[in-house]
Amino acid sequence: QVQLVQSGAEVKKPGSSVKVSCKASGGTFSSYTISWVRQAPGQGLEWMGRIIPILGIANYAQKFQGRVTITADKSTSTAYMELSSLRSEDTAVYYCARDDGGKGSPFDYWGQGTLVTVSS
Amino acid sequence: QSALTQPASVSGSPGQSITISCTGTSSDVGGYNYVSWYQQHPGKAPKLMIYDVSNRPSGVSNRFSGSKSGNTASLTISGLQAEDEADYYCSSYTSSSTYVVFGGGTKLTVL
Repeated sequence: QVQLVQSGAEVKKPGSSVKVSCKASGGTFSSYTISWVRQAPGQGLEWMGRIIPILGIANYAQKFQGRVTITADKSTSTAYMELSSLRSEDTAVYYCARDDGGKGSPFDYWGQGTLVTVSS
Repeated sequence: QSALTQPASVSGSPGQSITISCTGTSSDVGGYNYVSWYQQHPGKAPKLMIYDVSNRPSGVSNRFSGSKSGNTASLTISGLQAEDEADYYCSSYTSSSTYVVFGGGTKLTVL
């Protein structure tokens, strides 16, 4: 049974950066893809980007290009999402989610979410 | 503004059936059979309910079913139960660099 456990809530100042982790257990970390999806308060889901750990290749939604970096450490089965130049609109719950890497694969396991609050 | 369009809310009484629509374009919903549906209870992570338009993961009740016609996908919940009250999101693979797009979500109220 795959489990994704994320790091705890963060409070950040505008203009700073935040790095959220997502540790996987169960399954084979390198054989699947990890995406990051965020949800602003009272809003819908928004895909930010993903990484294929076995290749170390990440791709990002155009909206976040240049501001988000997704990495993975195969030795610890942990994925990371770093978002820079934070603004108040980045206040959201950030989820990591797994898919099997195939085209159009669904997100079958999700982390519990990490609340990031951006406030001066 | 979300890439896929869903009604903001739907409601039904216990035992009834409801359908939630999800409208996209030929670049996403209409072009691929990669539509998924997620259920989200307040304060919880989304849960996969339907994938590849109409397939149910193991453990998901057969009261949940999915379909697609043209650029519109649909989620039907039959025999509504109180625990079905939640937000529902559709998603689709897209040929754009975004890779996956979501709908804005539909709040289901069981009356």
